[in-house]
Amino acid sequence: SAVISQKPSRDICQRGTSLTIQCQVDSQVTMMFWYRQQPGQSLTLIATANQGSEATYESGFVIDKFPISRPNLTFSTLTVSNMSPEDSSIYLCSVEDLERGVEQYFGPGTRLTVT
Amino acid sequence: AQSVTQPDIHITVSEGASLELRCNYSYGATPYLFWYVQSPGQGLQLLLKYFSGDTLVQGIKGFEAEFKRSQSSFNLRKPSVHWSDAAEYFCAVGYNQGGKLIFGQGTELSVKP
Repeated sequence: SAVISQKPSRDICQRGTSLTIQCQVDSQVTMMFWYRQQPGQSLTLIATANQGSEATYESGFVIDKFPISRPNLTFSTLTVSNMSPEDSSIYLCSVEDLERGVEQYFGPGTRLTVT
Repeated sequence: AQSVTQPDIHITVSEGASLELRCNYSYGATPYLFWYVQSPGQGLQLLLKYFSGDTLVQGIKGFEAEFKRSQSSFNLRKPSVHWSDAAEYFCAVGYNQGGKLIFGQGTELSVKP
């Protein structure tokens, strides 16, 4: 399986600021995804990061709040913009390589606290 | 709407005892089925998956799961639990390659010595 790293692993931010989270994979993958896990909750997909084009967002998530980049097949970023305490969550990226299977592998997550 | 239900929010078992975590999904077609484990402060680790074929699948760490089409279930089992199995377990389904996963609410497993 792919080895996935995320930076930062955790951060404490003030409301109104923005944070960019990086996701790096050790091999080229077809699909990259960003999920949110609110405290004590399950995971919800924010968007699918498409290489070379705009991300595809799920209902309830918008590009202005969660801009995503994917410049190549091994790297993606998620920005949480104009943060509020409600954005305090764990943000996880996952990858899926369509040539190898349908399972998704997850990074270690970024724990974000907004004060 | 597609959904995944894990009826048990929290389960406590004694070390060495057997374990079964329940998962039910709602959808007409057979989805791709997964079980993930999340240890405190960690990301998700894939335990096992089902796509087709044999309905009893083996995974890592001694876990297995059985797909029952008639019950729309994919329950996770382990014959003998170890203290290191204490974690949060998530059942997830996907309906197409390259598509999103829908997760259940998770079951927190505690292991008594």
